[in-house]
Amino acid sequence: EDQVTQSPEALRLQEGESSSLNCSYTVSGLRGLFWYRQDPGKGPEFLFTLYSAGEEKEKERLKATLTKKESFLHITAPKPEDSATYLCAVQAFMNSGYSTLTFGKGTMLLVSP
Amino acid sequence: KAGVTQTPRYLIKTRGQQVTLSCSPISGHRSVSWYQQTPGQGLQFLFEYFSETQRNKGNFPGRFSGRQFSNSRSEMNVSTLELGDSALYLCASSPTGGDNSPLHFGNGTRLTVT
Repeated sequence: EDQVTQSPEALRLQEGESSSLNCSYTVSGLRGLFWYRQDPGKGPEFLFTLYSAGEEKEKERLKATLTKKESFLHITAPKPEDSATYLCAVQAFMNSGYSTLTFGKGTMLLVSP
Repeated sequence: KAGVTQTPRYLIKTRGQQVTLSCSPISGHRSVSWYQQTPGQGLQFLFEYFSETQRNKGNFPGRFSGRQFSNSRSEMNVSTLELGDSALYLCASSPTGGDNSPLHFGNGTRLTVT
């Protein structure tokens, strides 16, 4: 069974204090790993897709990396507006032959000024 | 380009009733997926539709059903509501689904069952 585990469940940072969020996964036939950001009362917003081990993607203060068993979302010098829940998801095939996304439970990030 | 639109935003229903939620995907997107989000379980996959056909189904009871229309708009229905069905129901669309294109989510329908 495909599994996605995110840690920590919650993280509190001071503005400017860099850190990393972890997403470990077990899936047969990974087709892609996705990172999303979700603000309270809103749907998840797409950030990155990673396809193969060693790949990195960057966007402003965020950088996502991928290994064969886990992905990290590095947040450099975060600002209060980076506060959100960050979700990781893996794309894998179902019995139907079509793929879908399996999500982790997310990391709730709070950045204090 | 307009995003994914879900209606209504909020619903309050009583146990035993049924409910229908609506989703309009991004123009040109033919794949629509539905997810249930709860604090304890996170996002759980319900089903995916493409060209009016259900392609994937998650591990939910038969009380949860859906359909897709020829204009790609989708509805999901929950019959005989239970307290545990209280959740945020999210709809997401993508051009074709099943490939590596990301899902684009709506802001969800918050269902409360009393």
